[in-house]
Amino acid sequence: QQQVKQSPQSLIVQKGGIPIINCAYENTAFDYFPWYQQFPGKGPALLIAIRPDVSEKKEGRFTISFNKSAKQFSLHIMDSQPGDSATYFCAASRNSGYALNFGKGTSLLVTP
Amino acid sequence: NAGVTQTPKFRILKIGQSMTLQCTQDMNHNYMYWYRQDPGMGLKLIYYSVGAGITDKGEVPNGYNVSRSTTEDFPLRLELAAPSQTSVYFCASSYGQGGQPQHFGDGTRLSIL
Repeated sequence: QQQVKQSPQSLIVQKGGIPIINCAYENTAFDYFPWYQQFPGKGPALLIAIRPDVSEKKEGRFTISFNKSAKQFSLHIMDSQPGDSATYFCAASRNSGYALNFGKGTSLLVTP
Repeated sequence: NAGVTQTPKFRILKIGQSMTLQCTQDMNHNYMYWYRQDPGMGLKLIYYSVGAGITDKGEVPNGYNVSRSTTEDFPLRLELAAPSQTSVYFCASSYGQGGQPQHFGDGTRLSIL
């Protein structure tokens, strides 16, 4: 059973566009929500993470929006560049737990 | 800094063979994890360890075994390889549990024919 549902499966935007990737979860015990970026042939790397006490977090061109009541969170990439082309995974976990529960991933292509 | 190092990068096995996927980290992290990644399915936790000598099952442990004799190393063993174990395997480590960043290696791509 997928504990974190991610959409869309794939996304194509032009350079400068703002791709948005959405995730939803059911387990209200989750209190840590990271996003990972993965390039072909490499392992996932932490991009940005948020905890439920804030509704938005921004790091450079990457922003997480978090809606606790809707149990949803999303990643926005401002001024997207071809170098942002990668697979993005959302995840969720409990501070007291061990497992990262990953979404199925979104393959992003940013065209020149 | 090397971070998390996995070997080998690629391997082809025949059904029924066994092998060990190696993972070592140089960050002195107590927590280590093994995930498998199948196309379009995200990453699923196989086993994890909270310190030397302590391991526990994740979501998909069947067909795998682990050991943790040192802080640095966390090998994953496949005893009787099956086609369903064809996947990309990632090892990760973290300083703490739950809400701490996990650092991933670059994976082992395993095909079982």
